[in-house]
Amino acid sequence: SQQGEEDPQALSIQEGENATMNCSYKTSINNLQWYRQNSGRGLVHLILIRSNEREKHSGRLRVTLDTSKKSSSLLITASRAADTASYFCATDARFQKLVFGTGTRLLVSP
Amino acid sequence: GAVVSQHPSRVICKSGTSVKIECRSLDFQATTMFWYRQFPKQSLMLMATSNEGSKATYEQGVEKDKFLINHASLTLSTLTVTSAHPEDSSFYICSASEQGALRETQYFGPGTRLLVL
Repeated sequence: SQQGEEDPQALSIQEGENATMNCSYKTSINNLQWYRQNSGRGLVHLILIRSNEREKHSGRLRVTLDTSKKSSSLLITASRAADTASYFCATDARFQKLVFGTGTRLLVSP
Repeated sequence: GAVVSQHPSRVICKSGTSVKIECRSLDFQATTMFWYRQFPKQSLMLMATSNEGSKATYEQGVEKDKFLINHASLTLSTLTVTSAHPEDSSFYICSASEQGALRETQYFGPGTRLLVL
């Protein structure tokens, strides 16, 4: 399977703490994207990082990409209860076909 | 902007019947739409890619005669699950990429939960 791996599978933290999720993938990519999914809902696009970029910020989100290690990380700073969701990385290797990682379930407790 | 809708949001049907799911881009024209399925607590798996006016491209292992995809216009794609069986019960999600843009970002619909009894 070409599916990426994410770790941890589940993460439980307190509000105000930072949450870090990691994603590893298997093939060369054009870009890597992170999505959030609330329980039983569709996906919300969070951030896209291209293969020639190493770090990107968007609000409380920070994404890094290491193409030599085929890995990426998503950092959510100062987490809030509303950040509780599943987070997926997805790689775009060709023709916009996204290959999703296994996901990290984040629980932020008040 | 860039809103994708799906209808219905939830459907329950009897085994052997067919179910049609619609995916619409509401405020943009989508050259390409994608159909995914997601089992509980699992990731999304791409089923097929549909381009407006042409046949869909199915991923390996996805039966094209069972999952019929039609992309008749730049704002509408449909997925029909034919002769549905309980193992087809899943969460089906579509996405669309905008015509003419860099097309790197896909916009996802809210999903359709299918339960086959």
